[in-house]
Amino acid sequence: EAQVTQNPRYLITVTGKKLTVTCSQNMNHEYMSWYRQDPGLGLRQIYYSMNVEVTDKGDVPEGYKVSRKEKRNFPLILESPSPNQTSLYFCASSRGGTGGLNEQFFGPGTRLTVL
Amino acid sequence: GENVEQHPSTLSVQEGDSAVIKCTYSDSASNYFPWYKQELGKGPQLIIDIRSNVGEKKDQRIAVTLNKTAKHFSLHITETQPEDSAVYFCAARSNTGKLIFGQGTTLQVKP
Repeated sequence: EAQVTQNPRYLITVTGKKLTVTCSQNMNHEYMSWYRQDPGLGLRQIYYSMNVEVTDKGDVPEGYKVSRKEKRNFPLILESPSPNQTSLYFCASSRGGTGGLNEQFFGPGTRLTVL
Repeated sequence: GENVEQHPSTLSVQEGDSAVIKCTYSDSASNYFPWYKQELGKGPQLIIDIRSNVGEKKDQRIAVTLNKTAKHFSLHITETQPEDSAVYFCAARSNTGKLIFGQGTTLQVKP
């Protein structure tokens, strides 16, 4: 089954404790992206990757890191989480390098709470 | 900067009625406008999209219209059913290639 998977689905952590949210897709998509969803703000892009070893900042990259060492994986790293990073996070992938013109397939989401 | 405004934020209709969600965008170079549906506990899923060279597109009970001059586009759902209840997001592809999402509309269809 073609899908995007994220782990963990739920996470409660404390300020400053490094964490990683994994994302994996099995559709051989070039483009991958991370979004955060907050009430009243919609989906805001954190980072995106057009292909292996190619990553770039989205609209809200502060406090986040990503890497794209393999085509299928795109982990999101919070080196020192803060309470304002409490949010619902989505990973997405699409074919092609730009990501803007093709359907994006979203993972099920990761609800993160930083105390 | 690039921006997409979506209205209303919440919409409640009776089953069988129509629902309309409207979006405006700021970047006149935007050329692709998808709509995503997000059911409770799931990620958004594409339901329909339209490109800038088309004014209207229909797929069964859903349709999207685009007015490039006014820079707005709308989602129309006819004969609504309870399973249409969800959060709907519009988006516009900016000239930088990014998808800019609207704030979302929570649609409730009452049986």
